[in-house]
Amino acid sequence: AQSVTQLDSQVPVFEEAPVELRCNYSSSVSVYLFWYVQYPNQGLQLLLKYLSGSTLVESINGFEAEFNKSQTSFHLRKPSVHISDTAEYFCAVSDHPYNFNKFYFGSGTKLNVKP
Amino acid sequence: GAGVSQSPSNKVTEKGKDVELRCDPISGHTALYWYRQSLGQGLEFLIYFQGNSAPDKSGLPSDRFSAERTGGSVSTLTIQRTQQEDSAVYLCASSLAFTGANTGELFFGEGSRLTVL
Repeated sequence: AQSVTQLDSQVPVFEEAPVELRCNYSSSVSVYLFWYVQYPNQGLQLLLKYLSGSTLVESINGFEAEFNKSQTSFHLRKPSVHISDTAEYFCAVSDHPYNFNKFYFGSGTKLNVKP
Repeated sequence: GAGVSQSPSNKVTEKGKDVELRCDPISGHTALYWYRQSLGQGLEFLIYFQGNSAPDKSGLPSDRFSAERTGGSVSTLTIQRTQQEDSAVYLCASSLAFTGANTGELFFGEGSRLTVL
């Protein structure tokens, strides 16, 4: 079974500063990687995913994540954050291609963007 | 509705009582999942349905927990003889069938917050 580690439970940052939210997973076998975001009082929603191909994936709101197989990492980055990015971010891993019957989630990182 | 709907949104119960949590997935989504989110913890997988069958119920923490799905749609998670450690947010998610076109996205409801006194 996989395990997913998000070392930072909370990340405070000022608006327009860069941010990196770290995610490491346990196994280097074929994996499928996801970041989900949970805005206040809302359900989790998919932010971006890596299934295959380019190791750098981007979201529509400026976040990006890079799959690093050798370091078993999938860190989430944004060069300049906005107040509206304040949310909890969850990294998730599945090791079944097109058979996502079990996702392994990290414990989440709360991003607090301050003015 | 357009999204995954869960009810109740909040439930406070006394230790030893039974509770039922309901999930109404997105129409056409054949896969349905239950997760539990405890304070400071990640999402803990409970059970997964493909249609009405549950090929993976390995995450159910004890025999007090059960779930069913009828008509390939609505699912109910039942917790019998609730304990204080059952207090958590119970999340339901659904997704499309497992084909090459499935991009693996889960669609989550807003959760049912259970508090056992």
